[in-house]
Amino acid sequence: DTEVTQTPKHLVMGMTNKKSLKCEQHMGHRAMYWYKQKAKKPPELMFVYSYEKLSINESVPSRFSPECPNSSLLNLHLHALQPEDSALYLCASSQVRGDGNSPLHFGNGTRLTVT
Amino acid sequence: QKEVEQNSGPLSVPEGAIASLNCTYSDRGSQSFFWYRQYSGKSPELIMFIYSNGDKEDGRFTAQLNKASQYVSLLIRDSQPSDSATYLCAVSWISSASKIIFGSGTRLSIRP
Repeated sequence: DTEVTQTPKHLVMGMTNKKSLKCEQHMGHRAMYWYKQKAKKPPELMFVYSYEKLSINESVPSRFSPECPNSSLLNLHLHALQPEDSALYLCASSQVRGDGNSPLHFGNGTRLTVT
Repeated sequence: QKEVEQNSGPLSVPEGAIASLNCTYSDRGSQSFFWYRQYSGKSPELIMFIYSNGDKEDGRFTAQLNKASQYVSLLIRDSQPSDSATYLCAVSWISSASKIIFGSGTRLSIRP
């Protein structure tokens, strides 16, 4: 069983819809991540939150809006998406260590289809 | 040069043999290296991580790091059909410890 929980597992949305992806972890990790993964491609970093503050935004379009309400929760708000945004969205968490020696723990992902 | 490079494969290995997966990276004060396994349609799961030059063993898996040559490898001994998956190499750099970048992955197939 994964210790990072993502909901929903699957999501189909139209290009005019607004939806949110949710992620929760109870491992006491203070860094949380959103990755996007297209078929047969590696995970691509989108956002990183460290101590509930956005620390990395990899030039992601504004139609993706992250939010970290507290140390256990991470949301990704979606609005006016395009069909090419269809992908597996992965949430991950890790400890925050200055030496970077802390692996990612992934959730099971949300399979997003934009129609 | 890409930051993290892997041979996409597929790499086909007979059951019981040693599978060797390689990864090269650009040198920007690289510090931590991770190997993840990903089955089709599933999320990545951590196999091993290594920080120091040399070998690190965990069961059937051995990670090898050579910072002078800028490569990290994963050896899987006694390969099993259940090892068939995509193996992702990931690297974090001193300059941004929270930024973990993945290679393109190597597809491994263990043939019975």
